[in-house]
Formats: sequence, structure tokens, C-alpha cells
Amino acid sequence: EVQLVESGGGLVKPGGSLRLSCAASGFTFRSYSMNWVRQAPGKGLEWVSSTSSNSSLIYYADSVKGRFTISRDNAKNSLYLQMNSLRAEDTAVYYCARGTWSGYDSTFEYWGQGTLVIVSS
Amino acid sequence: QSALTQVPSASGSPGQSVTISCTGTSSDVGGYNYVSWYQHHPGKAPKLLIYEVSKRPSGVPNRFSGSKSGNTASLTVSGLQAEDEANYYCSSYAGSNTLVFGGGTKLTVL
Repeated sequence: EVQLVESGGGLVKPGGSLRLSCAASGFTFRSYSMNWVRQAPGKGLEWVSSTSSNSSLIYYADSVKGRFTISRDNAKNSLYLQMNSLRAEDTAVYYCARGTWSGYDSTFEYWGQGTLVIVSS
Repeated sequence: QSALTQVPSASGSPGQSVTISCTGTSSDVGGYNYVSWYQHHPGKAPKLLIYEVSKRPSGVPNRFSGSKSGNTASLTVSGLQAEDEANYYCSSYAGSNTLVFGGGTKLTVL
């Protein structure tokens, strides 16, 4: 069974940093692209970032470019999101999601249950 | 990267059919056959229902179907069941390796 479990969320002050993690199991992690998607309170889903299976292809939404960094450790079956210079508008539940193959993918086949990030003073 | 447009709410009685629309532009929905639909029960992990406009992953009931005409994609849920009550989101490839989601539609089963 595919499982994606996010962690690392919490309360952080504006301008601060936070690192999210996503632990994957139930599939060959190194063979699939991975993604981060967020949902602000009362809002819809927003794509944040994607990485191919070997990290050779990495993409970001304009809203986080230059502030967020996606990375993965295939040996640890883990995906990360380093979030710097956080703003109030980054407050959201952050989901990790798996693609359907190793390269860039716009289909997210499996999702975690999310971790909440609150940016507030 | 403007969000795709979805009506905020839809409803239907058990056994009925409901269609949820997702409107974009020629730069996203209309330009690519990479539209997906997700079902999200609050507090749970979103679930993929439809990908590449009309394809269903294994395990998704054939009560769920997708289509596209021009810049508008649609998800039809036939034979509504109580467990279909959830939020539904569309997404589309938007070029330059970016993805855009819709604002979501809350489906109520009356």
C-alpha cells in the first residue's frame, strides 16, 4: 500500500524558515516524480513544486520561486521542502503527492494527508 | 498562473447524475489533454479520479467520467451515492512545466 506521511509543519513567524518532510513507503520511491501542493484555509489547491525521480528536473510555482527548495533523498525514501522567508500567505496545509512516472508529471496519483504550516507573529 | 474556474457548489439526490465544470483558457485546459480530477474529503488525502481528461485509474468506479470541450473540462458523477459528498478539484498542465488547479466544487448529496 502506497503511503505518504508529511511532517514538519507548525507555527513560524513571518520571515522565518521551516523544513517539511514526506516519508514514502509501499513503492519504489526512486522511480517516481514527487510534488508539493498546498491548500490555504478556505481556498483551493495550489501546486507548489515538482521534482523528477533523480532530481534532474525541478520546477516551482512563481509564488514560491526563490524562497522554497524541493529536494529528495532516494536512499531514505523521503521528500523535503525547505521554506525560507515565509509570509502570511504561505499559511496552508502542505501535501506531498506522487507522480505516475519518473519524469515531469501533471498527474498526482497518490497523496498524503498533509501537514499544517501557520505563518503568524 | 491563474486558478481554473469551478462553481463553488453543486448538489444532487442519490441515484442522480451531477456534472461539475472546470473552465480555463487556451493556455491550460484548452491547450493540453492533461486535465485531472481529484476527490477530497476534508482531513483526508485527496484521491485521483480522472487523468488525461477522461482516463480512470484502476479502482475508481465507472460512475466517474471526464470530458473536455474547448477550454472547459467536466466531471460527471452518475448514480450519486452518499459517500460522493466531498470537494472536487480539477487541474491542468499550464505549459512551461507548471500546473494549475481549480478553486474546488463542494458536492452535496441531498
